[in-house]
Amino acid sequence: SAVISQKPSRDICQRGTSLTIQCQVDSQVTMMFWYRQQPGQSLTLIATANQGSEATYESGFVIDKFPISRPNLTFSTLTVSNMSPEDSSIYLCSVVSSARPYEQYFGPGTRLTVT
Amino acid sequence: SQQGEEDPQALSIQEGENATMNCSYKTSINNLQWYRQNSGRGLVHLILIRSNEREKHSGRLRVTLDTSKKSSSLLITASRAADTASYFCATDAEGAQKLVFGQGTRLTINP
Repeated sequence: SAVISQKPSRDICQRGTSLTIQCQVDSQVTMMFWYRQQPGQSLTLIATANQGSEATYESGFVIDKFPISRPNLTFSTLTVSNMSPEDSSIYLCSVVSSARPYEQYFGPGTRLTVT
Repeated sequence: SQQGEEDPQALSIQEGENATMNCSYKTSINNLQWYRQNSGRGLVHLILIRSNEREKHSGRLRVTLDTSKKSSSLLITASRAADTASYFCATDAEGAQKLVFGQGTRLTINP
């Protein structure tokens, strides 16, 4: 399976600021996704990161709050904008490759705390 | 809303015993996947079972799928302390690869 890395692994940020999270894969993948896991909760899909075009957001998530880029087949970023304490979560990217088109693999996550 | 529901929410057993976790979902699926998460870290992919499969094995893991009941189970045999983690099922609706996760089962293996 693809090796997925995320930066930063964790961060503590002040409210009102923004944080950009990077997701890097060691091989080309067909699909990339971003998920959020709030404390003690399960995962919720934020958006599908589309290569070279705007991301596709799920209900309840908007581009102004969570801008996403995917400039190529191995890299994507998620920005959490104008943060509030409610944004404190683990943010995870995931990928699907052509080699295993049905299996989805996750990065190690970024633990964000907003004070 | 979350599609998957998992049962039990928490499970505590002795090392060496078997652990069974159940997952139910609401709509038709292509595949169902099980993941493990240790202490709020990233998810480790355990096993994928397709909608036309009924049972699948991987090492000490056994997964069953009953599409008529819209349910799946994960059995971990001969549990070890290292199996202590949260376990999630995730489904993808037909034609999509976006995953919908269950609430998870918190498994504790006592030495």
